[in-house]
Amino acid sequence: DTGVSQNPRHKITKRGQNVTFRCDPISEHNRLYWYRQTLGQGPEFLTYFQNEAQLEKSRLLSDRFSAERPKGSFSTLEIQRTEQGDSAMYLCASSLGTGEFRRETQYFGPGTRLLVL
Amino acid sequence: AQSVAQPEDQVNVAEGNPLTVKCTYSVSGNPYLFWYVQYPNRGLQFLLKYITGDNLVKGSYGFEAEFNKSQTSFHLKKPSALVSDSALYFCAVRETSGGYQKVTFGTGTKLQVIP
Repeated sequence: DTGVSQNPRHKITKRGQNVTFRCDPISEHNRLYWYRQTLGQGPEFLTYFQNEAQLEKSRLLSDRFSAERPKGSFSTLEIQRTEQGDSAMYLCASSLGTGEFRRETQYFGPGTRLLVL
Repeated sequence: AQSVAQPEDQVNVAEGNPLTVKCTYSVSGNPYLFWYVQYPNRGLQFLLKYITGDNLVKGSYGFEAEFNKSQTSFHLKKPSALVSDSALYFCAVRETSGGYQKVTFGTGTKLQVIP
């Protein structure tokens, strides 16, 4: 399978714990995106990488959230001191950036569903 | 600011009948529009996109969408629905702002195809 993969698929944690999610994009894709999706809503943009550089972060991404893409391949999203409001599906997407963003198609992974108790 | 509206939370259609899932958008410049489908506990799968050119866009699994600039709509259609089409459908719009693209998704429409 050469699509976007995410691990773990499910995570249950207690409030206050730290969690880390991993995303492996499609191998030749240089752009990687993180989204959060809550029940009954569409995905909301969190952050974006081009290669290893994090170029944009949403206001939704509080100080407790950090994302990295150290070698321009896989990415991690860490949430520190989790809160119940962090419970959501965290989606990763990747795309092949060749210039004009608008013409790109983002391909999504299966997501990591987080439940904070 | 750009936005997308999916006015129907759920659409029910009988198997074999044509289906339409509605989407309207608001952008300040040219719209770049997408449809994605999401099956339970899965990520989003790309169906089709409108960039420029023909107003009727053909996509995966027999779906198509009609871009209507005057009505600012991008409705998803399929001539004959299958039970396996039952899923959550998201419309999305992209617009470049300051050199960075922002994607805005609608709230989704649940399609139920009744056997």
